[in-house]
Amino acid sequence: DIQMTQSPSSLPASLGDRVTITCRASQDIGNYLRWFQQKPGKSPRLMIYGATNLAAGVPSRFSGSRSGSDYSLTISSLESEDMADYYCLQSKESPLTFGSGTKLEIK
Amino acid sequence: QVNLQESGPGLVKPSQPLSVTCSVTGYSITTSYYYWNWIRKFPGNKLEWMGYISYDGSIYYNPSLKSRISITRDTSKNQFFLQLNTVTTEDTAVYYCARTPFDYWGQGVMVTVSS
Repeated sequence: DIQMTQSPSSLPASLGDRVTITCRASQDIGNYLRWFQQKPGKSPRLMIYGATNLAAGVPSRFSGSRSGSDYSLTISSLESEDMADYYCLQSKESPLTFGSGTKLEIK
Repeated sequence: QVNLQESGPGLVKPSQPLSVTCSVTGYSITTSYYYWNWIRKFPGNKLEWMGYISYDGSIYYNPSLKSRISITRDTSKNQFFLQLNTVTTEDTAVYYCARTPFDYWGQGVMVTVSS
């Protein structure tokens, strides 16, 4: 199985901060990488697909990037509504695998 | 508007089967080329992809579950189903259904395995 190593597990940040979450793939996944946001009691929300493409309705302060086997989700200026858990998902090959998650919280 | 909704028992006894239904409205589960997935989230927040049934009825299971899982569908009702056999307390989770490309998800159903 492809392992997705996500970091950090917890990210304290202040409103207005620029924050970055990273997933490293254990083997080549091309751009078959998605990012999800999940708030308590809600289902995951697709934020980024194809590693760099913004999903419909997602604010432009979110962006995705790739450098080799490292994939990043960046929020350019943190807003209170962004406090949530974030997960990456690789869909290059089955079984699909998620990162372990990052809890974004107010410092 | 695409809508997915899970329904399930809430509480299952150990060694019994767990069954969850995903009812889809606003989109046919036989429309090319979509896949209909089951995902679960454990109490420690880990997410696990369990498997899918595709628009043409093909199925893929996560090998970690392969001996216990079954995914089926009823196209007349636009529903698909998860059955997980011989459950243990480690199968306690929130169970979600979702459409690939993972743009639509159900709200999730909590299933607790306990005697």
